[in-house]
Amino acid sequence: GAVVSQHPSRVICKSGTSVKIECRSLDFQATTMFWYRQFPKKSLMLMATSNEGSKATYEQGVEKDKFLINHASLTLSTLTVTSAHPEDSSFYICSARVGGDSPLHFGNGTRLTVT
Amino acid sequence: GDSVTQMEGPVTLSEEAFLTINCTYTATGYPSLFWYVQYPGEGLQLLLKATKADDKGSNKGFEATYRKETTSFHLEKGSVQVSDSAVYFCALSDRGNRDDKIIFGKGTRLHILP
Repeated sequence: GAVVSQHPSRVICKSGTSVKIECRSLDFQATTMFWYRQFPKKSLMLMATSNEGSKATYEQGVEKDKFLINHASLTLSTLTVTSAHPEDSSFYICSARVGGDSPLHFGNGTRLTVT
Repeated sequence: GDSVTQMEGPVTLSEEAFLTINCTYTATGYPSLFWYVQYPGEGLQLLLKATKADDKGSNKGFEATYRKETTSFHLEKGSVQVSDSAVYFCALSDRGNRDDKIIFGKGTRLHILP
């Protein structure tokens, strides 16, 4: 089955530093990848949609300069949290799909803690 | 816009009880419907899906039927187990949208007591 690998699973960083999270589709090519943020006891909030080779589409209220998304190949998308602050601490999840109505395949998420 | 509404949790049941988690949706097009499950400390996994009216998705003893007339996709299981404790998300993908992103409900946390 399709596997999405997300790395790292946990990261602790100091306020003001940047953190990069990787999302890889291991056995399929993902034309579209999605990045979500999950607050405690809340649903997934879609942050942005990235399509290979083009700029990401950010949801309303998501700062594109703070959450940099790069989808340089059909198997890799990265999310960089720049100048992280404690309020950026959250669970970040990526997903990938080939297209159309194909099911989303999710990574296991990254727990980011900013101290 | 498109949206998904599911019953708020947490839902607490005893082992072997019958489970229903309600989900209704609004969509401008003809969506595909999904249930995802998130076990503690893990990412989401697709549990089941249905792509057209009256389709029944099923997996691991869970079932959900696409009801276009009531715009619903309720999740059911006849006899739950402790291992079913997780958060369940109802979701839709609207083919009518150019941007076919999936829209999730807020999730329902399920606790199964032994």
